[in-house]
Amino acid sequence: GAVVSQHPSRVICKSGTSVKIECRSLDFQATTMFWYRQFPKQSLMLMATSNEGSKATYEQGVEKDKFLINHASLTLSTLTVTSAHPEDSSFYICSAPGRGTDTQYFGPGTRLTVL
Amino acid sequence: GQQVMQIPQYQHVQEGEDFTTYCNSSTTLSNIQWYKQRPGGHPVFLIQLVKSGEVKKQKRLTFQFGEAKKNSSLHITATQTTDVGTYFCAGLGGSQGNLIFGKGTKLSVKP
Repeated sequence: GAVVSQHPSRVICKSGTSVKIECRSLDFQATTMFWYRQFPKQSLMLMATSNEGSKATYEQGVEKDKFLINHASLTLSTLTVTSAHPEDSSFYICSAPGRGTDTQYFGPGTRLTVL
Repeated sequence: GQQVMQIPQYQHVQEGEDFTTYCNSSTTLSNIQWYKQRPGGHPVFLIQLVKSGEVKKQKRLTFQFGEAKKNSSLHITATQTTDVGTYFCAGLGGSQGNLIFGKGTKLSVKP
């Protein structure tokens, strides 16, 4: 079946640094990828929609200058958390829709801890 | 905006007891999906329901989609410790074609 990978799986960084998270669709092409954030004991919240070849679409309340998204190819989207702060500590998950289906394939997630 | 509500938030059961989680949408859904997230893991797709009144079974799991396509349920018969995790429903209908997730039901099973 379709597989989505994320790298890194876990990252710990100092406050003020930037962190890049990669999301790859391994055996299919994804013109659209979604980035979610999940705080402890809460549901997934959509942050932005990544579109190959065009600008990402951000959900209300999500700072586009802080969470930079680049959909460089049909198999890769990156999320960069710029000038990370402790409140950005969270579980970041990407997903990509399967071709011809409404099924979403999720990456394994990236646990970000900002000290 | 469109909302997907899920209850209960938590459910503690004795192994062997049944479990049900319910999902309600503020608007009609084109489909509804169910995911399971194990502690520390990522959501894993379980099933998708598309048709009004649809019922699907996966071993001890029974999924239903309401006639009005605004509600759904997941029922687990005779729970096992391997069923532990958070079950999310998600409706397709966001403005970007994205899924809108319920808050999830966290299931714990006491052996």
